[in-house]
Amino acid sequence: KQEVTQIPAALSVPEGENLVLNCSFTDSAIYNLQWFRQDPGKGLTSLLLIQSSQREQTSGRLNASLDKSSGRSTLYIAASQPGDSATYLCACGSQAGTALIFGKGTTLSVSS
Amino acid sequence: DAGVIQSPRHEVTEMGQEVTLRCKPISGHNSLFWYRQTMMRGLELLIYFNNNVPIDDSGMPEDRFSAKMPNASFSTLKIQPSEPRDSAVYFCASRTIAGGRETQYFGPGTRLLVL
Repeated sequence: KQEVTQIPAALSVPEGENLVLNCSFTDSAIYNLQWFRQDPGKGLTSLLLIQSSQREQTSGRLNASLDKSSGRSTLYIAASQPGDSATYLCACGSQAGTALIFGKGTTLSVSS
Repeated sequence: DAGVIQSPRHEVTEMGQEVTLRCKPISGHNSLFWYRQTMMRGLELLIYFNNNVPIDDSGMPEDRFSAKMPNASFSTLKIQPSEPRDSAVYFCASRTIAGGRETQYFGPGTRLLVL
């Protein structure tokens, strides 16, 4: 059974710092991997989607990488801003059309 | 598009009462998911539907939980009878496949408190 782990559970950084959030998964036979953002009291918003055949995806200051062989993904946030403060969750899809398995997330706090 | 719509946004009820959560997926999406989120367990899949048909309900914790999707634009999650340990945020999500890429869109959630 797929298990997704995110470490650390919480992270605090000063504004302007570059940072990396980590995600690991136990079964490397994934179909895709998604990174989501969740603001307090809100639903999840998809940030980046990486297909199993891809190594990375970029959107603005965000870059997500995928290494299936090692069962790891990272979300890189450049030049962090207070508005980036949120919980970031990664999720793996095992096959096309199936549900995602989520990690518990990393709560990021960026101070001005 | 209004996105995924969930109602109610907040629900406070007493143990033993029936609770019904509602979800309207994004038009044209053919998959719908119900998740439950707690601090202890994170985000857990309860059940999902493809083309209105339940595909995987292995996450439904007990027979007290049931879900239906009578048509492509509406789904319900029912808890009967409710218990304090059911207190959580319940999310509904719908999915589209565009260019071979699957993306889930989440509703704002229903925050349930069972006293």
